[in-house]
Amino acid sequence: EVQLVQSGAEVKKPGESLKISCKGSGYSFTSNWIGWVRQMPGKGLEWMGIIFPGDSDTRYSPSFQGQVTISADKSISTAYLQWSSLKASDTAMYYCARHLSGHVDYWGQGTLVTVSS
Amino acid sequence: EIVLTQSPGTLSLSPGERATLSCRASQSVSRSYLAWYQQKPGQAPRLLIYGASSRATGIPDRFSGSGSGTDFTLTISRLEPEDFAVYYCQQYGSSLMYTFGQGTKLEIK
Repeated sequence: EVQLVQSGAEVKKPGESLKISCKGSGYSFTSNWIGWVRQMPGKGLEWMGIIFPGDSDTRYSPSFQGQVTISADKSISTAYLQWSSLKASDTAMYYCARHLSGHVDYWGQGTLVTVSS
Repeated sequence: EIVLTQSPGTLSLSPGERATLSCRASQSVSRSYLAWYQQKPGQAPRLLIYGASSRATGIPDRFSGSGSGTDFTLTISRLEPEDFAVYYCQQYGSSLMYTFGQGTKLEIK
């Protein structure tokens, strides 16, 4: 059974750094693109970017390029999303998602990130 | 970057009725790369349709997708109470870029 299990909710202050994780199981982690989707409170889905864990090829939405870093550790089947300096506007639910042939077939449960002073 | 515009923003219908949701792209989208998702409050999205018209595993046949080029449609033939949710279309294009539409909220009338 394919599963994507994300790390728990985070509460951070503006300017702090953060790295959240997504562990894949039940499939070949290195052979599938995995990415991140943001959902701000009461808003729609925004595609952030993806990584191919097999060779770390990474693509970002222009809206998120330079704002976040996507990485993966294939030895532990885990993808990451990180910020070097959080802003209040980064407050959102973040979903990891397995991408397959042009669509997302599996989603993580979501990680709620709250940034507040 | 391809922009997807969904309409209507909110659709108010009763159980048993037929729902028609629209997704219009700013440029032509390959049929192979147009998908639809359902999201209920407090839950992650769920894949309904991929390749414009193929139902994902376990999706009831009252859900169907159609369209090509820049105009795509999700149809729910007879609404069940559990179908009231937010629906998103999504496309995949060049350079491995994906985009979502802004969503259509399907609410009980």
